[in-house]
Amino acid sequence: GAVVSQHPSWVICKSGTSVKIECRSLDFQATTMFWYRQFPKQSLMLMATSNEGSKATYEQGVEKDKFLINHASLTLSTLTVTSAHPEDSSFYICSARERVTPLHFGNGTRLTVT
Amino acid sequence: AQTVTQSQPEMSVQEAETVTLSCTYDTSENNYYLFWYKQPPSRQMILVIRQEAYKQQNATENRFSVNFQKAAKSFSLKISDSQLGDTAMYFCAFMNYGGSQGNLIFGKGTKLSVKP
Repeated sequence: GAVVSQHPSWVICKSGTSVKIECRSLDFQATTMFWYRQFPKQSLMLMATSNEGSKATYEQGVEKDKFLINHASLTLSTLTVTSAHPEDSSFYICSARERVTPLHFGNGTRLTVT
Repeated sequence: AQTVTQSQPEMSVQEAETVTLSCTYDTSENNYYLFWYKQPPSRQMILVIRQEAYKQQNATENRFSVNFQKAAKSFSLKISDSQLGDTAMYFCAFMNYGGSQGNLIFGKGTKLSVKP
């Protein structure tokens, strides 16, 4: 079945550095990918919608200069957390849509900023 | 804007018994999808069941079934013969059928504990 691979699964970085998270659709083409953020014991909140070949659409309150999204091909979207701070520590999950449904989720990335 | 409400933050059930998780939503759309996702401690999002709004018949997947009441905007999940492996967070989610790119709107989740 369709699989979405997300890498890395966990990362620890120092405050002020940048971190890149990759989301790949392994056996289907995904013109649209979605990035979610999940704080402990909370639900998933949509951060942005990533469109292949065009600029991402960010949800209200999400800083586009801080969370850079690039969707350079039909199988890869990247989320870069720039100048990370401890408050950016969270669980980040990507998803990709194959046709209308279903949405396939990556395994998530646990980011810890020290 | 669409909203999804799960009014039960936590629930518990004895192994082999049946439990129902509640979900209500608000939308002005007529065509949409509804989903239940399971998130175990590994935090992998696992699709449990989905329902197309235009279908009157309630979706069923083995031990999982839904009670979809479109007029009441209610979408509850029934888990029969509960198993220890069903212990997880359960999220109800909404997605527009057309005119959107397919992002999901999630409820706050219900933490289900299955006790031996």
